[in-house]
Amino acid sequence: DTAVSQTPKYLVTQMGNDKSIKCEQNLGHDTMYWYKQDSKKFLKIMFSYNNKELIINETVPNRFSPKSPDKAHLNLHINSLELGDSAVYFCASSQGVDRGQFFGPGTRLTVL
Amino acid sequence: GENVEQHPSTLSVQEGDSAVIKCTYSDSASNYFPWYKQELGKRPQLIIDIRSNVGEKKDQRIAVTLNKTAKHFSLHITETQPEDSAVYFCAPLGGYNKLIFGAGTRLAVHP
Repeated sequence: DTAVSQTPKYLVTQMGNDKSIKCEQNLGHDTMYWYKQDSKKFLKIMFSYNNKELIINETVPNRFSPKSPDKAHLNLHINSLELGDSAVYFCASSQGVDRGQFFGPGTRLTVL
Repeated sequence: GENVEQHPSTLSVQEGDSAVIKCTYSDSASNYFPWYKQELGKRPQLIIDIRSNVGEKKDQRIAVTLNKTAKHFSLHITETQPEDSAVYFCAPLGGYNKLIFGAGTRLAVHP
């Protein structure tokens, strides 16, 4: 009965690899987000989808590609991983763009 | 771009005391002002929010006050408890309907 779930919880990989993180929400929300939280705890938005359409695309390297197959899912694929990609990635969802957001448990990505 | 500042960056209080965290923002068009709590190793969780047509909102020991003219809003926690220890983030809604997160305030409540 988890509201926003992400898999995997931990991801350890080598530089240059490609990896994906999956996110699902069962709240019936129409908007989903990806955030990156660095080691200093800064939370920065990366992408946002509303009804499967991309509405926010921050200055993120094009190695990062989000995909929203339906309103309940927003996945993040990362190509050619770099050391600086190491962070915790949070998925979130909300009903409308000006409402409180519910966060997933996070995926801790470590690039070696 | 939008600028969001939180003060203080760290706050240490004794159990039972009150804690106040202030958030200053630059976008005068902002109309939604949430506060999030993040415990160590956990996800950020919405604890209280306020819209620009209201000056204050209270939920048990937590309250948020908004001064739109001065462009700041504050989180007030009364009768603090050790489980209130966490990092607190303000995140006013900025341009393009993005939440702009502050740098966080680390609150420590000592028994």
